[in-house]
Amino acid sequence: DGGITQSPKYLFRKEGQNVTLSCEQNLNHDAMYWYRQDPGQGLRLIYYSQIVNDFQKGDIAEGYSVSREKKESFPLTVTSAQKNPTAFYLCASSALGAGKWLYTFGSGTRLTVV
Amino acid sequence: DAKTTQPTSMDCAEGRAANLPCNHSTISGNEYVYWYRQIHSQGPQYIIHGLKNNETNEMASLIITEDRKSSTLILPHATLRDTAVYYCIVSSMDSNYQLIWGAGTKLIIKP
Repeated sequence: DGGITQSPKYLFRKEGQNVTLSCEQNLNHDAMYWYRQDPGQGLRLIYYSQIVNDFQKGDIAEGYSVSREKKESFPLTVTSAQKNPTAFYLCASSALGAGKWLYTFGSGTRLTVV
Repeated sequence: DAKTTQPTSMDCAEGRAANLPCNHSTISGNEYVYWYRQIHSQGPQYIIHGLKNNETNEMASLIITEDRKSSTLILPHATLRDTAVYYCIVSSMDSNYQLIWGAGTKLIIKP
């Protein structure tokens, strides 16, 4: 079945370490997104990409980096510059055209920095 | 900031219809209304969307007022598995693929 796979589901890291979250989709979607969610809050956009080798900053890109070398993959690196990285991270994808706002989400990665 | 206003939480009895309101008084003519839901610790799931007319699919119905300033998502026969946070979002072709998420409504279905 087609879908989005995020790994790992839970991740623990020490303060000051960079960490990369994986996101892979086999839906043949052009657009991919990374969101951050804090407890009791809505989703906030970190980065998004509409085509391979191109991506744009969202509302809270500081302290994060991404790459889009393949259509299927959109990894997110949480760097040591991110002041408060502990959060639930969600990856999503969407088709362009008529279905562009029909997002498919992964199951999320819960990152805890200690 | 989110362009919609939703109640923080609601309860509904199992088997009854759950009616979730959303206010979007500043909606513009080319903006659609989208509903997603998020079950605890999972990614959000698309439910339904509409522009002007009422819409129905296998999951829910969407009722949009004539002036488009508010809408109601209806889950006709709520089950315990419908307990989730429900997000109402407005967006248009001009938004460059971005959906702006508010805090949503926490819907609790009670047995």
